[in-house]
Amino acid sequence: AQSVTQPDIHITVSEGASLELRCNYSYGATPYLFWYVQSPGQGLQLLLKYFSGDTLVQGIKGFEAEFKRSQSSFNLRKPSVHWSDAAEYFCAVGATGGYNKLIFGAGTRLAVHP
Amino acid sequence: GAGVSQTPSNKVTEKGKYVELRCDPISGHTALYWYRQSLGQGPEFLIYFQGTGAADDSGLPNDRFFAVRPEGSVSTLKIQRTERGDSAVYLCASSPQGQVHNEQFFGPGTRLTVL
Repeated sequence: AQSVTQPDIHITVSEGASLELRCNYSYGATPYLFWYVQSPGQGLQLLLKYFSGDTLVQGIKGFEAEFKRSQSSFNLRKPSVHWSDAAEYFCAVGATGGYNKLIFGAGTRLAVHP
Repeated sequence: GAGVSQTPSNKVTEKGKYVELRCDPISGHTALYWYRQSLGQGPEFLIYFQGTGAADDSGLPNDRFFAVRPEGSVSTLKIQRTERGDSAVYLCASSPQGQVHNEQFFGPGTRLTVL
């Protein structure tokens, strides 16, 4: 069965520092991978997605993610974090079945120190 | 334009009561999804509609949960005989079509508390 693991429950970084959030997936074929961000009181917002092609994917708000098949990973990165990036981040894999049923990880809560 | 809206934003009920949660998807989106997010967890899939029909209800935890989308737009998630374990945030999402490459747009959720 498909699954997503986000090893870090909570991460704290200083404003301006670089960020990497880890995501590992379990999937039998080429996965469809997503990163969503959830701010308090807001709905989940898509940051970026990977389906095929270039393994380095650019998203909104300066985020990028790299798909590494050999490591079953899809880590999210940002070179310089802003205070407004404080939120919860979810990695998800698109399930089989021909439609976009998402399986989410448990999330990583990001805190940003000034 | 308007995004996905969900009402109510908060619902407090007593154990054993019946509740209905409403989702208004983005106009024109044929695919609609319900997820449930428990505290400290990621969203878990409940049910998917393509148009008026439930194409996949494999995530519904038991027969106390039911969802409808009679006109292919607004959807209602219905929970009978609520239990304390049903307490969670219920999220609705819609997408233009139910294809894997279509972005799902999420609503802000309904926080359900069962006392």
